[in-house]
Amino acid sequence: KQEVTQIPAALSVPEGENLVLNCSFTDSAIYNLQWFRQDPGKGLTSLLLIQSSQREQTSGRLNASLDKSSGRSTLYIAASQPGDSATYLCAVLASGSRLTFGEGTQLTVNP
Amino acid sequence: DVKVTQSSRYLVKRTGEKVFLECVQDMDHENMFWYRQDPGLGLRLIYFSYDVKMKEKGDIPEGYSVSREKKERFSLILESASTNQTSMYLCASSLGGMEETQYFGPGTRLLVL
Repeated sequence: KQEVTQIPAALSVPEGENLVLNCSFTDSAIYNLQWFRQDPGKGLTSLLLIQSSQREQTSGRLNASLDKSSGRSTLYIAASQPGDSATYLCAVLASGSRLTFGEGTQLTVNP
Repeated sequence: DVKVTQSSRYLVKRTGEKVFLECVQDMDHENMFWYRQDPGLGLRLIYFSYDVKMKEKGDIPEGYSVSREKKERFSLILESASTNQTSMYLCASSLGGMEETQYFGPGTRLLVL
């Protein structure tokens, strides 16, 4: 059974810092890996999707990498801002169109 | 922009009541999903649907049923609500295929007393 783990569970940084969020998964037979953002009490917003054949994706200050063979992904946030404060969720898509989610990293960016 | 809407943001129900949670998407997506989200347990898939009148059990279907009579609408039904079904319920949809992301609604926070 696929399991997704995110480290750290929580992170607090000063504004302007570059940071890395980590995601690991146990079964490398995935179709894609996605990073989502969730604001308190809200739904999820898709940030980046990396296909299994890709190594990384970039959107603005966000860069996500994927190493499928080792079962790892990282989300890099450059020049963090208070508006980046949210919970970041990693999810992998395997067979049957099912996403398996990690429990998330709660990020706080302090002004 | 894809829009996924859920009928209620907050609901309070009593134990034993029948509860309907409605989800509507406006992008003609094939797939629709119902999740629940609980602290320490993350998001867990309850049911999903590939097409009208089709449904598949997710990881935690017990105590729930679903209905998809129209492509744009996917309903989650709690036949007899229990306190352990107090949770955040999230609906999502996707076009289909392995390249597609899932688009989420704003969530319904359900409290069962």
